[in-house]
Amino acid sequence: GDSVTQMEGPVTLSEEAFLTINCTYTATGYPSLFWYVQYPGEGLQLLLKATKADDKGSNKGFEATYRKETTSFHLEKGSVQVSDSAVYFCALSVGSSNTGKLIFGQGTTLQVKP
Amino acid sequence: NAGVTQTPKFQVLKTGQSMTLQCAQDMNHNSMYWYRQDPGMGLRLIYYSASEGTTDKGEVPNGYNVSRLNKREFSLRLESAAPSQTSVYFCASIRTGGSPLHFGNGTRLTVT
Repeated sequence: GDSVTQMEGPVTLSEEAFLTINCTYTATGYPSLFWYVQYPGEGLQLLLKATKADDKGSNKGFEATYRKETTSFHLEKGSVQVSDSAVYFCALSVGSSNTGKLIFGQGTTLQVKP
Repeated sequence: NAGVTQTPKFQVLKTGQSMTLQCAQDMNHNSMYWYRQDPGMGLRLIYYSASEGTTDKGEVPNGYNVSRLNKREFSLRLESAAPSQTSVYFCASIRTGGSPLHFGNGTRLTVT
């Protein structure tokens, strides 16, 4: 079945460091790919998305490129801030980006220290 | 604009007790979802309602029932709680035609 695998956390970085969180997926068909972020005590919020191969999603300095050849959607940010500390979830939907039926990875906790 | 509102925020149950988790959205979204979040497992879909009057099972429906009361409200019921249902439960909704999925702030449930 369809699945999403993220790198194990927690990831601890110093402020202004470069961030990469790896995400790979297995899916039949042509999934849409998402990154959601969860701040402490809150629900998840969409960070960025890509709906087809080679698309790059970007938001708030974060980027991820849909790589069909490597079935990956790695999240990157050039310079993290303390306020980026959160749990990051990679997710996919199959068939349409317009559905709330998502398959999530296990989440990666990011802690940014001043 | 409140978005997706879940009640209660916290709940402790004894094994065998029942309870209903409430969810309401004020964004006029057609589709609503219940997910559970467990450590190391991400979020898994329990049930969803693609439109008012319809409900369908997700990945982990056993032990749960749902009711789409109207377009705004989608409740999740545990008839006989089990320790395996200790989790954080999230309700979410999405508009017809596009993302993002909007989440509530969750209900943290502990079953002893």
